[in-house]
Amino acid sequence: GDSVTQMEGPVTLSEEAFLTINCTYTATGYPSLFWYVQYPGEGLQLLLKATKADDKGSNKGFEATYRKETTSFHLEKGSVQVSDSAVYFCALRGGASKIIFGSGTRLSIRP
Amino acid sequence: EPEVTQTPSHQVTQMGQEVILRCVPISNHLYFYWYRQILGQKVEFLVSFYNNEISEKSEIFDDQFSVERPDGSNFTLKIRSTKLEDSAMYFCASHGEGAWGNQPQHFGDGTRLSIL
Repeated sequence: GDSVTQMEGPVTLSEEAFLTINCTYTATGYPSLFWYVQYPGEGLQLLLKATKADDKGSNKGFEATYRKETTSFHLEKGSVQVSDSAVYFCALRGGASKIIFGSGTRLSIRP
Repeated sequence: EPEVTQTPSHQVTQMGQEVILRCVPISNHLYFYWYRQILGQKVEFLVSFYNNEISEKSEIFDDQFSVERPDGSNFTLKIRSTKLEDSAMYFCASHGEGAWGNQPQHFGDGTRLSIL
């Protein structure tokens, strides 16, 4: 079945460092891809999405490009801030309406 | 911006007791979901609901679970006889009409269920 694999955390970076969180997926057809973020004590918030190959989703300085050839949707940010500390979930929605999540990557940013 | 709201934020229940988790989806949304996240694990799909019936359910969603939309605004998840392994964060989500890819699911802040 459909699945999402993302890099294990925790990831610890210094403020202003470059961030990459890897995500690959397995799906039949052409899924939509998402990154969700969960700040401490809060629910899941949609960070960005891409619905077809070569689409780039972006929000709050984060970007991810839908790469069909490598079945990847890596999350990147050029300069992280302490406020970006959270758990990040890569996810997909395929033919059915449910969302399939990766295991989450905890990101901690040092001042 | 409209939000999905869930109550209570934390529910503590004795094993074997029934529990009802409540959700108020965004008002014009028609598709509703429950997910759960056991501490430290991934978010897992439980059930989807549309047009007053279940559209899909996972293996986790056994006979102990049920969902209901008792009125025009609430969407509830009932666990009939709770087990220790039901302890988790439960998220409600909803989205409106349209192609799924263009209708991201909006999540509530979750209900943390603790079974003693």
